[in-house]
Amino acid sequence: DAKTTQPTSMDCAEGRAANLPCNHSTISGNEYVYWYRQIHSQGPQYIIHGLKNNETNEMASLIITEDRKSSTLILPHATLRDTAVYYCIVPTGANSKLTFGKGITLSVRP
Amino acid sequence: DAGVIQSPRHEVTEMGQEVTLRCKPISGHNSLFWYRQTMMRGLELLIYFNNNVPIDDSGMPEDRFSAKMPNASFSTLKIQPSEPRDSAVYFCASRRGGTVLETQYFGPGTRLLVL
Repeated sequence: DAKTTQPTSMDCAEGRAANLPCNHSTISGNEYVYWYRQIHSQGPQYIIHGLKNNETNEMASLIITEDRKSSTLILPHATLRDTAVYYCIVPTGANSKLTFGKGITLSVRP
Repeated sequence: DAGVIQSPRHEVTEMGQEVTLRCKPISGHNSLFWYRQTMMRGLELLIYFNNNVPIDDSGMPEDRFSAKMPNASFSTLKIQPSEPRDSAVYFCASRRGGTVLETQYFGPGTRLLVL
């Protein structure tokens, strides 16, 4: 998989936007960026994915830079339940599987 | 729709015993994945199946581990004999299609402790 780099941790206040960065400078032109999260003691959960254009769904927004070397996951109004480990993944299409790194631990404070 | 179902949710066993973990994927999904998660190594893919056929088992740690998928609605991961270093949370996930573009849905995990 294309290597991704994320900060180890970050925090934000409840109700504020949480912006989670990810670097993927070796990404290829046809590789997607995926975000999953894992709330404590639960299995990982899909959030969003994108290729070139910015994407938005009911959970989050994904902003991908024009050169595609980095992206930002945005939780527009973070709640305490958003406290979790967030994984940025760029799977290599040939093997069709996800490789989870260490992710970034987001702590939402009251 | 029921999600991915795993059983048991917790397992405590003694070293040397056989352990069997079970997974029922979401109906209609034809890809199934087994992962292991530890503090030291994070979340690792052990094996994945597509249409009940093992596609990639390069993550299976050693011969003590084996996985089967006899039909589209059931898979097992067996450890025989178990060792303390096998203690981990084991997750099963399923996916509708055979490409990475499809979302993986994870089960709640089985927490295994080998004494």
